[in-house]
Amino acid sequence: KQEVTQIPAALSVPEGENLVLNCSFTDSAIYNLQWFRQDPGKGLTSLLLIQSSQREQTSGRLNASLDKSSGRSTLYIAASQPGDSATYLCAVSGSARQLTFGSGTQLTVLP
Amino acid sequence: DAGVIQSPRHEVTEMGQEVTLRCKPISGHDYLFWYRQTMMRGLELLIYFNNNVPIDDSGMPEDRFSAKMPNASFSTLKIQPSEPRDSAVYFCASSPTPGEKLFFGSGTQLSVL
Repeated sequence: KQEVTQIPAALSVPEGENLVLNCSFTDSAIYNLQWFRQDPGKGLTSLLLIQSSQREQTSGRLNASLDKSSGRSTLYIAASQPGDSATYLCAVSGSARQLTFGSGTQLTVLP
Repeated sequence: DAGVIQSPRHEVTEMGQEVTLRCKPISGHDYLFWYRQTMMRGLELLIYFNNNVPIDDSGMPEDRFSAKMPNASFSTLKIQPSEPRDSAVYFCASSPTPGEKLFFGSGTQLSVL
Protein backbone atom coordinates (compact mmCIF):
# COMPACT_ATOMS: atom_id res chain seq x y z
CA LYS A 1 0.00 0.00 0.00
CA GLN A 2 1.36 3.40 -1.02
CA GLU A 3 2.31 5.75 1.81
CA VAL A 4 3.11 9.42 1.32
CA THR A 5 5.04 11.40 3.93
CA GLN A 6 5.59 15.14 4.09
CA ILE A 7 8.20 16.73 6.30
CA PRO A 8 8.09 19.13 8.02
CA ALA A 9 4.48 19.26 9.17
CA ALA A 10 4.79 23.01 9.65
CA LEU A 11 7.22 25.66 8.46
CA SER A 12 7.52 29.36 9.21
CA VAL A 13 9.79 31.63 7.15
CA PRO A 14 10.30 35.36 6.69
CA GLU A 15 9.05 36.97 3.50
CA GLY A 16 11.45 36.82 0.58
CA GLU A 17 13.09 33.58 1.57
CA ASN A 18 13.42 30.66 -0.84
CA LEU A 19 12.11 27.41 0.60
CA VAL A 20 11.77 23.72 -0.13
CA LEU A 21 8.96 21.38 0.86
CA ASN A 22 9.61 17.66 0.87
CA CYS A 23 7.50 14.66 -0.08
CA SER A 24 8.44 10.99 -0.02
CA PHE A 25 6.52 7.92 -1.15
CA THR A 26 7.07 4.23 -0.55
CA ASP A 27 6.10 2.69 -3.90
CA SER A 28 8.05 4.08 -6.85
CA ALA A 29 5.61 2.61 -9.39
CA ILE A 30 3.68 5.83 -9.76
CA TYR A 31 1.82 7.28 -12.72
CA ASN A 32 2.23 10.92 -11.71
CA LEU A 33 2.63 13.24 -8.73
CA GLN A 34 0.69 16.40 -7.95
CA TRP A 35 1.29 19.26 -5.57
CA PHE A 36 -1.79 20.97 -4.16
CA ARG A 37 -2.40 24.07 -2.13
CA GLN A 38 -5.17 24.27 0.47
CA ASP A 39 -6.24 27.52 2.10
CA PRO A 40 -8.16 27.38 5.41
CA GLY A 41 -11.79 26.41 4.88
CA LYS A 42 -11.27 25.89 1.17
CA GLY A 43 -10.82 23.06 -1.25
CA LEU A 44 -7.54 21.98 -2.82
CA THR A 45 -6.01 23.67 -5.84
CA SER A 46 -3.67 21.70 -8.06
CA LEU A 47 -0.41 23.62 -8.51
CA LEU A 48 1.81 21.31 -10.50
CA LEU A 49 1.53 17.85 -12.00
CA ILE A 50 4.63 15.82 -12.87
CA GLN A 51 4.27 12.74 -15.02
CA SER A 52 6.38 9.74 -14.01
CA SER A 53 8.59 10.23 -17.07
CA GLN A 54 9.37 13.84 -16.16
CA ARG A 55 11.94 15.24 -13.76
CA GLU A 56 10.43 18.61 -12.99
CA GLN A 57 7.71 21.13 -13.70
CA THR A 58 7.73 24.89 -13.24
CA SER A 59 4.98 27.45 -12.81
CA GLY A 60 5.97 30.99 -11.96
CA ARG A 61 7.84 30.97 -8.65
CA LEU A 62 7.11 27.28 -8.11
CA ASN A 63 9.30 24.40 -9.22
CA ALA A 64 8.54 20.78 -8.46
CA SER A 65 11.02 17.97 -8.97
CA LEU A 66 10.55 14.22 -9.03
CA ASP A 67 13.05 11.45 -8.35
CA LYS A 68 10.95 8.36 -8.84
CA SER A 69 13.71 5.86 -8.11
CA SER A 70 14.34 7.29 -4.65
CA GLY A 71 10.66 8.00 -3.98
CA ARG A 72 11.09 11.73 -3.46
CA SER A 73 9.68 15.00 -4.68
CA THR A 74 10.37 18.58 -3.69
CA LEU A 75 8.40 21.77 -4.15
CA TYR A 76 10.63 24.84 -4.37
CA ILE A 77 9.06 28.24 -3.74
CA ALA A 78 11.19 31.21 -4.72
CA ALA A 79 10.97 34.62 -3.06
CA SER A 80 8.16 33.62 -0.71
CA GLN A 81 5.30 36.03 -0.02
CA PRO A 82 2.71 36.21 2.77
CA GLY A 83 0.11 35.17 0.19
CA ASP A 84 1.91 31.83 -0.14
CA SER A 85 0.81 30.94 3.39
CA ALA A 86 -1.29 27.77 3.11
CA THR A 87 -1.06 24.02 3.51
CA TYR A 88 0.75 22.25 0.68
CA LEU A 89 -0.13 18.65 -0.05
CA CYS A 90 1.64 16.12 -2.19
CA ALA A 91 -0.30 13.29 -3.85
CA VAL A 92 0.83 10.35 -5.96
CA SER A 93 -1.20 8.44 -8.52
CA GLY A 94 -0.61 4.72 -8.85
CA SER A 95 -1.54 2.17 -11.50
CA ALA A 96 -5.21 2.46 -10.59
CA ARG A 97 -4.85 6.21 -11.11
CA GLN A 98 -6.14 6.91 -7.61
CA LEU A 99 -4.40 9.61 -5.61
CA THR A 100 -2.78 8.94 -2.25
CA PHE A 101 -2.25 12.14 -0.29
CA GLY A 102 0.37 13.14 2.22
CA SER A 103 -0.69 14.91 5.39
CA GLY A 104 0.64 18.25 4.17
CA THR A 105 3.05 20.97 5.23
CA GLN A 106 1.51 24.07 6.79
CA LEU A 107 3.51 27.05 5.52
CA THR A 108 3.47 30.48 7.15
CA VAL A 109 5.32 33.34 5.45
CA LEU A 110 5.84 36.19 7.86
CA PRO A 111 5.72 39.78 6.53
CA ASP B 1 -16.76 27.15 -15.99
CA ALA B 2 -17.86 27.57 -12.37
CA GLY B 3 -15.70 24.71 -11.17
CA VAL B 4 -16.86 21.82 -9.02
CA ILE B 5 -19.91 22.88 -7.03
CA GLN B 6 -20.82 21.31 -3.71
CA SER B 7 -23.80 21.84 -1.46
CA PRO B 8 -24.43 22.51 1.30
CA ARG B 9 -21.26 24.27 2.51
CA HIS B 10 -22.09 23.45 6.10
CA GLU B 11 -24.37 20.81 7.58
CA VAL B 12 -25.15 20.34 11.24
CA THR B 13 -27.32 17.39 12.15
CA GLU B 14 -28.13 15.12 15.03
CA MET B 15 -26.95 11.57 15.36
CA GLY B 16 -29.24 9.14 13.57
CA GLN B 17 -30.41 11.59 10.93
CA GLU B 18 -29.91 11.10 7.21
CA VAL B 19 -27.43 13.40 5.50
CA THR B 20 -27.18 14.00 1.76
CA LEU B 21 -24.24 15.82 0.20
CA ARG B 22 -24.42 17.03 -3.38
CA CYS B 23 -21.86 17.63 -6.11
CA LYS B 24 -21.88 19.02 -9.64
CA PRO B 25 -18.62 18.21 -11.46
CA ILE B 26 -17.01 20.30 -14.16
CA SER B 27 -18.72 19.72 -17.49
CA GLY B 28 -16.84 17.25 -19.64
CA HIS B 29 -15.00 15.61 -16.76
CA ASP B 30 -15.56 11.88 -16.90
CA TYR B 31 -14.17 11.10 -13.45
CA LEU B 32 -15.72 12.10 -10.13
CA PHE B 33 -14.21 11.46 -6.73
CA TRP B 34 -15.55 11.76 -3.16
CA TYR B 35 -12.96 12.41 -0.44
CA ARG B 36 -13.22 12.87 3.30
CA GLN B 37 -10.75 15.01 5.26
CA THR B 38 -10.14 14.84 9.01
CA MET B 39 -7.30 16.01 11.20
CA MET B 40 -6.55 12.47 12.31
CA ARG B 41 -6.67 10.66 8.97
CA GLY B 42 -6.03 13.39 6.42
CA LEU B 43 -7.61 13.02 2.97
CA GLU B 44 -9.20 9.66 2.25
CA LEU B 45 -10.74 8.53 -1.02
CA LEU B 46 -14.23 7.18 -0.42
CA ILE B 47 -15.42 6.31 -3.92
CA TYR B 48 -14.92 7.32 -7.52
CA PHE B 49 -17.00 7.15 -10.69
CA ASN B 50 -16.11 6.90 -14.35
CA ASN B 51 -18.82 7.98 -16.77
CA ASN B 52 -21.40 7.77 -13.96
CA VAL B 53 -20.43 4.19 -13.03
CA PRO B 54 -18.92 3.48 -9.59
CA ILE B 55 -15.46 2.01 -10.11
CA ASP B 56 -14.02 1.61 -6.64
CA ASP B 57 -15.95 2.03 -3.41
CA SER B 58 -13.45 0.25 -1.18
CA GLY B 59 -12.91 3.46 0.77
CA MET B 60 -16.52 3.74 1.86
CA PRO B 61 -16.25 3.15 5.58
CA GLU B 62 -19.53 1.35 6.24
CA ASP B 63 -22.84 0.36 4.75
CA ARG B 64 -24.24 3.55 6.21
CA PHE B 65 -22.49 5.38 3.36
CA SER B 66 -23.80 5.27 -0.20
CA ALA B 67 -23.07 7.29 -3.32
CA LYS B 68 -24.86 7.69 -6.62
CA MET B 69 -24.25 9.45 -9.89
CA PRO B 70 -27.53 9.41 -11.84
CA ASN B 71 -26.10 11.55 -14.65
CA ALA B 72 -22.90 13.25 -15.76
CA SER B 73 -23.68 16.48 -13.93
CA PHE B 74 -24.78 15.32 -10.50
CA SER B 75 -23.65 13.05 -7.68
CA THR B 76 -24.77 12.48 -4.11
CA LEU B 77 -23.14 11.03 -1.04
CA LYS B 78 -25.60 9.85 1.56
CA ILE B 79 -25.02 8.85 5.17
CA GLN B 80 -27.86 7.02 6.92
CA PRO B 81 -27.90 6.97 9.89
CA SER B 82 -25.24 9.55 10.68
CA GLU B 83 -22.92 9.26 13.67
CA PRO B 84 -20.66 11.79 15.44
CA ARG B 85 -17.55 10.10 14.03
CA ASP B 86 -18.74 10.99 10.54
CA SER B 87 -17.98 14.64 11.31
CA ALA B 88 -15.46 15.80 8.71
CA VAL B 89 -15.07 17.86 5.57
CA TYR B 90 -16.32 16.00 2.52
CA PHE B 91 -14.84 16.99 -0.83
CA CYS B 92 -15.97 16.21 -4.32
CA ALA B 93 -13.42 16.41 -7.14
CA SER B 94 -13.44 15.80 -10.87
CA SER B 95 -10.96 15.33 -13.68
CA PRO B 96 -11.11 14.72 -17.44
CA THR B 97 -9.07 11.55 -17.02
CA PRO B 98 -7.59 10.03 -13.85
CA GLY B 99 -4.07 10.98 -14.82
CA GLU B 100 -4.75 14.68 -15.15
CA LYS B 101 -5.09 17.51 -12.69
CA LEU B 102 -7.80 17.03 -10.12
CA PHE B 103 -10.24 19.89 -9.49
CA PHE B 104 -11.78 20.10 -6.04
CA GLY B 105 -14.99 21.67 -4.82
CA SER B 106 -15.03 23.86 -1.70
CA GLY B 107 -16.22 20.99 0.46
CA THR B 108 -19.07 20.34 2.86
CA GLN B 109 -18.27 20.75 6.56
CA LEU B 110 -20.39 18.10 8.29
CA SER B 111 -20.97 18.16 12.03
CA VAL B 112 -22.97 15.32 13.59
CA LEU B 113 -23.99 16.07 17.16
